[in-house]
Amino acid sequence: GDSVTQMEGPVTLSEEAFLTINCTYTATGYPSLFWYVQYPGEGLQLLLKATKADDKGSNKGFEATYRKETTSFHLEKGSVQVSDSAVYFCAPMYNNNDMRFGAGTRLTVKP
Amino acid sequence: DTAVSQTPKYLVTQMGNDKSIKCEQNLGHDTMYWYKQDSKKFLKIMFSYNNKELIINETVPNRFSPKSPDKAHLNLHINSLELGDSAVYFCASSQDGGRGSPLHFGNGTRLTVT
Repeated sequence: GDSVTQMEGPVTLSEEAFLTINCTYTATGYPSLFWYVQYPGEGLQLLLKATKADDKGSNKGFEATYRKETTSFHLEKGSVQVSDSAVYFCAPMYNNNDMRFGAGTRLTVKP
Repeated sequence: DTAVSQTPKYLVTQMGNDKSIKCEQNLGHDTMYWYKQDSKKFLKIMFSYNNKELIINETVPNRFSPKSPDKAHLNLHINSLELGDSAVYFCASSQDGGRGSPLHFGNGTRLTVT
C-alpha cells in the first residue's frame, strides 16, 4: 500500500544551524504533499504544501520541493530558531482526501 | 473563532466504560476525519466522512463508532474502553475537491483509560 518514510529523530541543533528532514513517499498515483508541525500540547498546523512535480512550498523560512523522480519532499530551513522546536510530519494525500502521516521527527533547537 | 473544535480536551475514565468525543467544524468543509496519535506521536487515520457518508474506515476495533449527524459534526463513540485506547484523538476537516486541500486539525482530546 501507499506509505511515507520520514527521517527518524530526535534531531537536536544549535540556533542558526541548517535543518534538513528527509521524507520519501511511495505511491502508485500522484499525491499532493504536505508538511505539518505540532508544537507541544497543540494540534497539527499546516506548514507548507506542494501539489505537483517541481512545486516548491515555503512558509516561515521552511521550504520543500516536490521531487517526482526521487519521490521525495525534504524539509529544509537555512537558520533554525529555538521557537522552531516541535514535531514535524510529512504527509502525502492520496485519492479520496486520504492523508497519511510519517512517523514524525522531533526537532529541538538549543540556544 | 475556532475552526475545528473538540470536546472534551481531557478525558479520564476506567476500563469498560463507554465514552464519546465530539467534534464540530465551522469552515463549511465537506470531509471530516478522526486520527489517533499514540505516545510516540505516530498518527493513524481511523475514519473519514464526506457529506455524512463514511469513505475511509481503517482497521479499528468495532468498539469505535463514528457518527455524523450533519456535515459539520463528526462524533466518536467508544464502547468498553481498554487500556490500549489511551491516546490523543484528533478531529480534522478538509474541503472536498481533493488535490491541495489541506486538513485543518482540532487541538486534540487526550484520553486516559485507567
